[in-house]
Amino acid sequence: KAGVTQTPRYLIKTRGQQVTLSCSPISGHRSVSWYQQTPGQGLQFLFEYFSETQRNKGNFPGRFSGRQFSNSRSEMNVSTLELGDSALYLCASSLGDSAYEQYFGPGTRLTVT
Amino acid sequence: GESVGLHLPTLSVQEGDNSIINCAYSNSASDYFIWYKQESGKGPQFIIDIRSNMDKRQGQRVTVLLNKTVKHLSLQIAATQPGDSAVYFCAENPRGSGTYKYIFGTGTRLKVLA
Repeated sequence: KAGVTQTPRYLIKTRGQQVTLSCSPISGHRSVSWYQQTPGQGLQFLFEYFSETQRNKGNFPGRFSGRQFSNSRSEMNVSTLELGDSALYLCASSLGDSAYEQYFGPGTRLTVT
Repeated sequence: GESVGLHLPTLSVQEGDNSIINCAYSNSASDYFIWYKQESGKGPQFIIDIRSNMDKRQGQRVTVLLNKTVKHLSLQIAATQPGDSAVYFCAENPRGSGTYKYIFGTGTRLKVLA
């Protein structure tokens, strides 16, 4: 079974631009969560989607948004990029029922200049 | 690969020895815990989990211990191998916070010495 895939793997953007990252979960998984990983703050939860609905949200500004499609694929968008948004963005997929196990993709490395 | 954390605590262990990685979790309401391994350039990899109604759980070469009294979690790796070199994170899920809304620890870098 294929794992979680994320595209693109690397991205360089300029401050003020916006970016969209994509995540394809493991086949059969209906929940997709997004995390931001930085050396200073570690892994921080952004949001989680299940059946095309945002089910949980972390403490990030409204510039960070996401969506999920009917095939469970998810995208996250960051608008008006700031230098501090430079990070590894990870998505994780889960079955979405009472199973708590979460499987991560390789991440998208975003650099904002 | 990218640096997961510039100032992570580091545990150096001789190949073949046992490793013990510790984690102090933050929320006494947490009822589910996961240990992850992250190698350079990769996303975190699920190792083992434990629910709060258990004190110990064993997997292949790994054991997780949970002490709810002092909010402490540990990961024991038996017969540590070079391939175990990575950063290890514990993650907690506070009851009522929402499924999959995990809080991650800062991580510990494990270095296996040949």
